[in-house]
Amino acid sequence: GAGVSQTPSNKVTEKGKYVELRCDPISGHTALYWYRQSLGQGPEFLIYFQGTGAADDSGLPNDRFFAVRPEGSVSTLKIQRTERGDSAVYLCASSLGGGTGAGELFFGEGSRLTVL
Amino acid sequence: AQSVSQHNHHVILSEAASLELGCNYSYGGTVNLFWYVQYPGQHLQLLLKYFSGDPLVKGIKGFEAEFIKSKFSFNLRKPSVQWSDTAEYFCAVNARSSYKLIFGSGTRLLVRP
Repeated sequence: GAGVSQTPSNKVTEKGKYVELRCDPISGHTALYWYRQSLGQGPEFLIYFQGTGAADDSGLPNDRFFAVRPEGSVSTLKIQRTERGDSAVYLCASSLGGGTGAGELFFGEGSRLTVL
Repeated sequence: AQSVSQHNHHVILSEAASLELGCNYSYGGTVNLFWYVQYPGQHLQLLLKYFSGDPLVKGIKGFEAEFIKSKFSFNLRKPSVQWSDTAEYFCAVNARSSYKLIFGSGTRLLVRP
């Protein structure tokens, strides 16, 4: 597609529920990133994929968070047993690859998660 | 660990005023530097970037930024702002050849017509 697509754009759930957020990156971009943006803060790194593998998941806050990218394109961020503190905008970005191009990220519009 | 500081959280200007947004980073090695912008209701997009060479870089819409290595700074400037520049601006840094982009907390700019 023309840009990074994220669904849903808004998700309201109850504490303790399971949530999936989807990201469809720009065609041909091998690198995919998930960031989380809380109110009044800049985006915070969660996880980075190069192809199908998670090259760095050091930003995931705990084991309730998990992400997959089984075919090297679409990625799903999964949050188990959601807590109110998980409320944030979850941003997906893609880029052509590593090296000097690594920082030229193309962002989606984000999925706003609200946990009641 | 890398970090990015943006000193001004909110800036209000009148049209035609000059703009300078501060950005400082902490990292001992070679870095790439970026400014991203988020217009109301839109996604984050790249405004300009510095990888190497001329420390004064020009971006879209008349913005420029100057990398001052000795001050670990990458301030964003525009000589004359427009109402359409109302947005949130994020400074970001990554270590050279790294994939992990570290963002500042952002500066909300409001330009009054």
